[in-house]
Amino acid sequence: GQQLNQSPQSMFIQEGEDVSMNCTSSSIFNTWLWYKQDPGEGPVLLIALYKAGELTSNGRLTAQFGITRKDSFLNISASIPSDVGIYFCAGNSGGSNYKLTFGKGTLLTVNP
Amino acid sequence: NAGVTQTPKFQVLKTGQSMTLQCAQDMNHEYMSWYRQDPGMGLRLIHYSVGAGITDQGEVPNGYNVSRSTTEDFPLRLLSAAPSQTSVYFCASQRGYNQPQHFGDGTRLSIL
Repeated sequence: GQQLNQSPQSMFIQEGEDVSMNCTSSSIFNTWLWYKQDPGEGPVLLIALYKAGELTSNGRLTAQFGITRKDSFLNISASIPSDVGIYFCAGNSGGSNYKLTFGKGTLLTVNP
Repeated sequence: NAGVTQTPKFQVLKTGQSMTLQCAQDMNHEYMSWYRQDPGMGLRLIHYSVGAGITDQGEVPNGYNVSRSTTEDFPLRLLSAAPSQTSVYFCASQRGYNQPQHFGDGTRLSIL
């Protein structure tokens, strides 16, 4: 089956630093999604990407849909303490397919 | 706008007990799904439904049943709870193909 490799597994950074995380796949995806999960809550959608090469921002967050359609990255600029949480990538292979494949998440800790 | 609502938020069961986890969405989404989240395992798909009256198995369906009698509701049943089913369970809904999934806040289930 499809697999997503998300890296790094965890990051410990200082407030104000920039963060980068990425996901790679062995197969092509038509949609890439990035979610954030705060402790004790469900994942919340941050950014959705629908076209190869697409670069989309949401405040201090920027995500890109890789040209090969097999990867995506998420950058967070000028991190703040509330950025703490688990970040998940997810992909959809398209067609008549609802199912998402999820990465295992990147745990981000921000030291004030 | 409630989105995806899961009840209960917490539950403790004894081995062998049965239980139904409730999920309701008010967005008229056709697709709904159940995941379990365990440390280091990411989100694993249990069952999903592409519309009322239609359900199918995901990656880890054993020990769980679902039904979809209405568009709004998608309950998950544990027939005979086992300690291996201790987990956090998330319900999600999705408007259409290649669209993001929206998650509830989860049910934290412990089985003793």
